[in-house]
Amino acid sequence: QVQLVESGGGVVQPGRSLRLSCAASGFSFNNYVMHWVRQAPGKGLEWVALFSYDGSNKYYADSVKGRFTISRDSSKNTLSLQMNSLRPEDTAVYYCARGMRSSFDYWGQGTLVTVSS
Amino acid sequence: QSALTQPASVSGSPGQSITISCTGTNSDVGNYNYVSWYQQHPGKAPKLLLYDVNNRPSGASNRFSGSKSGNTASLTISGLQAEDEADYYCSSYTSSTTLYVFGTGTKVTVL
Repeated sequence: QVQLVESGGGVVQPGRSLRLSCAASGFSFNNYVMHWVRQAPGKGLEWVALFSYDGSNKYYADSVKGRFTISRDSSKNTLSLQMNSLRPEDTAVYYCARGMRSSFDYWGQGTLVTVSS
Repeated sequence: QSALTQPASVSGSPGQSITISCTGTNSDVGNYNYVSWYQQHPGKAPKLLLYDVNNRPSGASNRFSGSKSGNTASLTISGLQAEDEADYYCSSYTSSTTLYVFGTGTKVTVL
């Protein structure tokens, strides 16, 4: 069955960096678009980034463009999110999600990132 | 890109039907049939209920149905059950540089 397991969250000071990972299993990883979606505590969902199935395109929300980088390691079936210049407003649970047409059909359990001094 | 507008809360009694609206603009909901709906229980990851306005993924309950008119999409839950008590979010593909936008979320309470 499809499984997505995020890791790498934690507490980080403003301006510092953090790298999240998402281990995928149960499906042909290279055949799917993959996303990162985040949810601030007590708030709604916010799309963060997309990695296209063939690796030719990456897209970012305006709120993270220039600071976050999405990548994929096909040999390890792993999706990553490198987050630089972190801000308090980046505090959220970060989910990786599989893309299906223009929806998100499977989600991981999420990893919490807290940006605080 | 602003979030899609949903009512903050909707309630109903067991067995009733309720409808949640999701209002966007000509740049998202009104321009694409790429609206999806998600259910999220407290402390859990969201779960896909519908995609492409009114298509159910494999295993999703047929008590959930969707529609769209102009810039507003809707989710209807029929035969409301206690387990339907959760937060619900809509999402749409957009023509902006932020490719996807979510709704503000609706808390469903089963009375």
